[in-house]
Amino acid sequence: GAVVSQHPSWVICKSGTSVKIECRSLDFQATTMFWYRQFPKQSLMLMATSNEGSKATYEQGVEKDKFLINHASLTLSTLTVTSAHPEDSSFYICSARKYPLSSYNEQFFGPGTRLTVL
Amino acid sequence: KQEVTQIPAALSVPEGENLVLNCSFTDSAIYNLQWFRQDPGKGLTSLLLIQSSQREQTSGRLNASLDKSSGRSTLYIAASQPGDSATYLCAEYSSASKIIFGSGTRLSIRP
Repeated sequence: GAVVSQHPSWVICKSGTSVKIECRSLDFQATTMFWYRQFPKQSLMLMATSNEGSKATYEQGVEKDKFLINHASLTLSTLTVTSAHPEDSSFYICSARKYPLSSYNEQFFGPGTRLTVL
Repeated sequence: KQEVTQIPAALSVPEGENLVLNCSFTDSAIYNLQWFRQDPGKGLTSLLLIQSSQREQTSGRLNASLDKSSGRSTLYIAASQPGDSATYLCAEYSSASKIIFGSGTRLSIRP
């Protein structure tokens, strides 16, 4: 198997608060995890690449100080949305790539976290 | 800029029909191509992944093809069922690390 979990599955918070989302690979190790964001009726957009033991790489236009990523172990990456605002409301999905790499380099996706900022 | 385009954006067909979903990409150095299914409010379910060295993959009633020279992939669904109703996403691995998603085709199968 290659199961990725996310916690929480949904969260509602007040504007200005911070929210942490966890992404775990349950039955494999992942040196690299990815965070995506999906707005309603739109496709997934890569936000950042999370590397175990090093700093995350952010895509252009994604504020690294607002979306803090920590990948402290081979099975866990966290995304913290700091000082969340209503425009941060979205569906956040993580993925993980197995270590060691396979020939496919396939990414395995979590079930997503629905964030609503009031 | 690398792009992935899916046409049509929405499709409605009666149950039992065979159908084809289309995906085009601009990256000639594609690494993998993957098809996903997404139900409303849910995450992604992987359907088929085709490596760049392969031309097609099959799973049950699904068959996905890859033509790098024309920059196209198709997902063929045989004998469609109402349970096949979902959004289908095409995703191109532009490198070992980066995936670019298409905007999806919303499929509705009418009983």
